[in-house]
Amino acid sequence: GIQVEQSPPDLILQEGANSTLRCNFSDSVNNLQWFHQNPWGQLINLFYIPSGTKQNGRLSATTVATERYSLLYISSSQTTDSGVYFCAVVNYGQNFVFGPGTRLSVLP
Amino acid sequence: DSGVTQTPKHLITATGQRVTLRCSPRSGDLSVYWYQQSLDQGLQFLIHYYNGEERAKGNILERFSAQQFPDLHSELNLSSLELGDSALYFCASTPLWGTEAFFGQGTRLTVV
Repeated sequence: GIQVEQSPPDLILQEGANSTLRCNFSDSVNNLQWFHQNPWGQLINLFYIPSGTKQNGRLSATTVATERYSLLYISSSQTTDSGVYFCAVVNYGQNFVFGPGTRLSVLP
Repeated sequence: DSGVTQTPKHLITATGQRVTLRCSPRSGDLSVYWYQQSLDQGLQFLIHYYNGEERAKGNILERFSAQQFPDLHSELNLSSLELGDSALYFCASTPLWGTEAFFGQGTRLTVV
């Protein structure tokens, strides 16, 4: 089945810093999503982005499907950005496969 | 609010018991997925239903079963519970297979 890798596994930032999270996948996909799992365990949709670039406030994402990777950019990070960021992909006819996540800690 | 409702939010039960977790998908969504997240682990796919029919199974234990009812809500049944079954259980819904998924708040199951 499809393999999903995320890097870095852990990231510690000072408030106000920028960061880039990466998701690599091993096969063609017809869906890619980024999620934020907050410290209370909730999974929050960030982006539905099988290809192209999207922006939402301080967050943006780019997926280059032909090269099998996606990037999540967080600018001017805030303490509320702390948590785990997951990417999940769907290979045609299959089910959502999650990466292992990037654990982000933003320090005040 | 994702529009996906899971009940209960928290559940504490003893080993050997049986519990039922409930998921109501977003209005109009036909697909329901169940995932398990053990402590500090990733999300593991359990089972997928589409419009009442089972479509795919992941690494779901034989002690676990699920169904999707005509009104499209789904239930995950966990029996002969073990300490290792303690986890967050999420359901997600999509209008069609593989389209944008929305997750419920999860049910945190603690087996003591």
